[in-house]
Amino acid sequence: DSGVTQTPKHLITATGQRVTLRCSPRSGDLSVYWYQQSLDQGLQFLIQYYNGEERAKGNILERFSAQQFPDLHSELNLSSLELGDSALYFCASSAFSGQKNTGELFFGEGSRLTVL
Amino acid sequence: AQTVTQSQPEMSVQEAETVTLSCTYDTSESNYYLFWYKQPPSRQMILVIRQEAYKQQNATENRFSVNFQKAAKSFSLKISDSQLGDTAMYFCAFMGSGGSNYKLTFGKGTLLTVNP
Repeated sequence: DSGVTQTPKHLITATGQRVTLRCSPRSGDLSVYWYQQSLDQGLQFLIQYYNGEERAKGNILERFSAQQFPDLHSELNLSSLELGDSALYFCASSAFSGQKNTGELFFGEGSRLTVL
Repeated sequence: AQTVTQSQPEMSVQEAETVTLSCTYDTSESNYYLFWYKQPPSRQMILVIRQEAYKQQNATENRFSVNFQKAAKSFSLKISDSQLGDTAMYFCAFMGSGGSNYKLTFGKGTLLTVNP
């Protein structure tokens, strides 16, 4: 158990719909990362938050957005869903503080999104 | 931008034997972290081993060890005494340590099958 909790574990929805994926980081971790894993693209970095602020952005589509709340949990919002958005979405957290990087990310079990 | 290349999409090994998974990376940074993550059929991303670039000594974790060649930008994983439970997808990953961007960049992965 990594200590990172993601919900839901599985989600099936239709094209054009909107979903929200939720992530609770490990206790004490300030940094949250979102990754998308698909068969053709592999593991792609989407976005990183640190203590509520966006810190880095990767290959995140404009239809996707994320935020980190004061209690440090994070949500990834996916809208106008397309078939190609079907993937496993991982959340990870780290103890990255800005001054000292421990260098390790702890991953949740992922949310499997299927768009029909 | 950093890139990580795993040239072996699939490998297999007999139980109790040794196998080496290859990884090369490209970066202009002088200090960084390298990781091997394991993803078994359960989908969970599990850290196998970590190497800090400024450390010349190769990291070792029980049956897992790395051969880190900084000049060649090579980071291979050796699994000794392979066990059935080692069957998984293995991802090599890079993390820079400069600035505020501590995201992981992953290779495409190597599917390792341990045969009885």
